[in-house]
Amino acid sequence: GAVVSQHPSRVICKSGTSVKIECRSLDFQATTMFWYRQFPKQSLMLMATSNEGSKATYEQGVEKDKFLINHASLTLSTLTVTSAHPEDSSFYICSAGRTSGQETQYFGPGTRLLVL
Amino acid sequence: DAKTTQPPSMDCAEGRAANLPCNHSTISGNEYVYWYRQIHSQGPQYIIHGLKNNETNEMASLIITEDRKSSTLILPHATLRDTAVYYCILTTDSWGKLQFGAGTQVVVTP
Repeated sequence: GAVVSQHPSRVICKSGTSVKIECRSLDFQATTMFWYRQFPKQSLMLMATSNEGSKATYEQGVEKDKFLINHASLTLSTLTVTSAHPEDSSFYICSAGRTSGQETQYFGPGTRLLVL
Repeated sequence: DAKTTQPPSMDCAEGRAANLPCNHSTISGNEYVYWYRQIHSQGPQYIIHGLKNNETNEMASLIITEDRKSSTLILPHATLRDTAVYYCILTTDSWGKLQFGAGTQVVVTP
């Protein structure tokens, strides 16, 4: 089946620094990718929709200047958490769908972010 | 997209069938029923989806009532590796954004 990867799988950073998370579709092209955030014992919450070649669409309450999304190619989207704070510590998950011929999305394995 | 209601948790004995209910009484005619599961600390995994008819694949079966107001995911022979949170999601666009509810925490015991 289709594979979506994320890098890194886990990262620890100091408060105030920026962290970049990559999401790649390994064997298919994806014009749209989605970024979710999941806090402990909670469900996934959609943060934003990443569109190849255009600006991302953010969900209500998600700061676009804090969570920078870049979707420069059909196989790569990046999420940069700028000026990270401890409350940004979470599990970040991306998903992607094929551009055609596929009826579902595929999720990455997630990235665990811990901000100290 | 309409909301779904699932029990918060359920236990299942290894080797037995697990029947996971999902209520979606306000489902629209063009909304599909999708099931995903999330094993602890991993990304969600697609299981199965359907519109009106019952569906079966190598992982599970999906039974949708005739009025489409509820559905049941069936894991025919649960294994310990099926322990996960199972999400029932309605969507008109399989490539569109998905709204995850609380899901059902399924624990398969020996």
